[in-house]
Amino acid sequence: GENVEQHPSTLSVQEGDSAVIKCTYSDSASNYFPWYKQELGKRPQLIIDIRSNVGEKKDQRIAVTLNKTAKHFSLHITETQPEDSAVYFCAASRGANFGNEKLTFGTGTRLTIIP
Amino acid sequence: DAGVTQSPTHLIKTRGQQVTLRCSPKSGHDTVSWYQQALGQGPQFIFQYYEEEERQRGNFPDRFSGHQFPNYSSELNVNALLLGDSALYLCASSLSGTTTDTQYFGPGTRLTVL
Repeated sequence: GENVEQHPSTLSVQEGDSAVIKCTYSDSASNYFPWYKQELGKRPQLIIDIRSNVGEKKDQRIAVTLNKTAKHFSLHITETQPEDSAVYFCAASRGANFGNEKLTFGTGTRLTIIP
Repeated sequence: DAGVTQSPTHLIKTRGQQVTLRCSPKSGHDTVSWYQQALGQGPQFIFQYYEEEERQRGNFPDRFSGHQFPNYSSELNVNALLLGDSALYLCASSLSGTTTDTQYFGPGTRLTVL
């Protein structure tokens, strides 16, 4: 089955600087890669996603890049703010081609923004 | 437009007992997936329900079972509870039959097994 590895497990960044979180996946059939943000005691919230027919996607301060050949994808947060502090999870699935396939999650990155 | 809801919020059980957790999907969604999130870990897929049937299953024992009702809401049942079943149980809803893969999560049920 699919295996998703995520690094780093913790990341501290000065406010205003950029943060990068990296994930690798094992299943070459995976074609959907969402990123979720989970604040303490809250539900995971989708912040951005990318499909395998796209190499990069951006939404304001957040961007995701995908390298299908190397089987890795990354989350980039620019101009970080204190409210960006949370645990971030990457995930992978075979997506709609197989009918709402299960999500396989990474182990999470605890991001702390230092004021 | 209601989002995904779950009940109860918290639950405390003892080993050997049985528990039922409930989930109502986001309006317009017809598919419900259940995940277990242990403390400090990413969510692990338990199973997915569509058209009142289990469509996919993760690596969880038969003690974990579920059901989906005609209104698309779903239940997760866990029998013979073990200490290791203590976790946050999340349900996620989505819409099948489209190219949209997005799964939206509910707030979760925190289960503590003593």
